[in-house]
Amino acid sequence: AQKVTQAQTEISVVEKEDVTLDCVYETRDTTYYLFWYKQPPSGELVFLIRRNSFDEQNEISGRYSWNFQKSTSSFNFTITASQVVDSAVYFCALIYSGGYQKVTFGTGTKLQVIP
Amino acid sequence: DVKVTQSSRYLVKRTGEKVFLECVQDMDHENMFWYRQDPGLGLRLIYFSYDVKMKEKGDIPEGYSVSREKKERFSLILESASTNQTSMYLCASRNLARYEQYFGPGTRLTVT
Repeated sequence: AQKVTQAQTEISVVEKEDVTLDCVYETRDTTYYLFWYKQPPSGELVFLIRRNSFDEQNEISGRYSWNFQKSTSSFNFTITASQVVDSAVYFCALIYSGGYQKVTFGTGTKLQVIP
Repeated sequence: DVKVTQSSRYLVKRTGEKVFLECVQDMDHENMFWYRQDPGLGLRLIYFSYDVKMKEKGDIPEGYSVSREKKERFSLILESASTNQTSMYLCASRNLARYEQYFGPGTRLTVT
């Protein structure tokens, strides 16, 4: 069975602070994909990043960075110099790369960036 | 850009009514999904379809059915709406080779 845990339910930060969203996963599969999605107040989930289980390189995209560590089964997401537009619910997700397998989502972390 | 559209943003129905939620994607994706989102529970999969006329139950299929007659369209049906089906419903599609999902804007359904 697969499981994704986002222990932080809600986080509030002041604008320009850095913030890290935690994601811990469980799977018995050796080949899998991890994702982060952003859900702004408008409601539509937006895909941010995909990482496969064989690629442990960290990734940076502008103010966003992701740290994937198989040893601790974690895929954490850091926003540097947060902005009000970053306020959203962020979901971590996992899929086993075996055809039609469904995605397992975490319960989400609500980030509020205060101006 | 991938576009997934849903027939309504907001919907109010009465208990016992039959409800249709429509989802259309324009990227020729093989897979399509219906989720419901409730506070504290995250996204829960209701049904998914890996191809036309194919469907698989997700985690919470009870009280729902689906239809996929054309590749671009995936419908969610509530045969007899109940108040516990009040929720946000999200449709998604996926390219089989890439795994990430693209979501529609959601339908907030209220059953009174």
